[in-house]
Amino acid sequence: QVHLQESGPRLVKPSETLSLTCSVSGASLSDSRYYWGWIRQSPGKGLEWIATNSHSGGAYYNPSLKSRVAMSVDSSKSQFFLRVNSVTAADAAVYFCARETFSSGRTAYDIWGQGTTVTVSS
Amino acid sequence: DIQMTQSPSSLSASVGDRVTITCRASQGITDHLAWFQQKPGKAPKSLILGASSLQSGVSSRFSGSGSETDFTLTISSVQPEDYATYYCQQYNSFPYTFGLGTKLEIK
Repeated sequence: QVHLQESGPRLVKPSETLSLTCSVSGASLSDSRYYWGWIRQSPGKGLEWIATNSHSGGAYYNPSLKSRVAMSVDSSKSQFFLRVNSVTAADAAVYFCARETFSSGRTAYDIWGQGTTVTVSS
Repeated sequence: DIQMTQSPSSLSASVGDRVTITCRASQGITDHLAWFQQKPGKAPKSLILGASSLQSGVSSRFSGSGSETDFTLTISSVQPEDYATYYCQQYNSFPYTFGLGTKLEIK
């Protein structure tokens, strides 16, 4: 059974960097059948795609965040990561990691982590 | 960006009712449409991918249809565990985008 678990600080100060980890069990991050991604959810913006990473093809980012985010994958540790620089109150949200499976030539979320709540405050 | 418009934003239904939720894309997305169910404090659960393909383990009372710009999610007979918020999402092109959700409430 595939399980994803987010971890990271619950509280981040404005202008600092948010770093999150997604730990995956029951699946290999180097499996070419899947991509891996980050999504966030806030009361103001709803569900928002952040980034997608194919283990061999690099990362794709939401243009609204692209200059401030970076996603990476460490298959040997079964973990992938998200970094958001220069956070503001607008970055406060529940952050989810998820697996993407191929569907009609594109990738779609099939398994989600439980989410981790991030607050931005000094 | 492709805008996803869901309707209604909320609806009330009794156990056993048939419920339909619609999702409209601002441009054609073929069948690259997913439906998710989310309960308070929980992660979204994938119900349907490819507009109509039921995910493993999801009850057959859920069904999806549509293509290009107009899609529907139908619950054939609402059960108590179905009360939740439902979201559609397009994955035809980046940036992926989600609808604002439809909250299904008990009547």
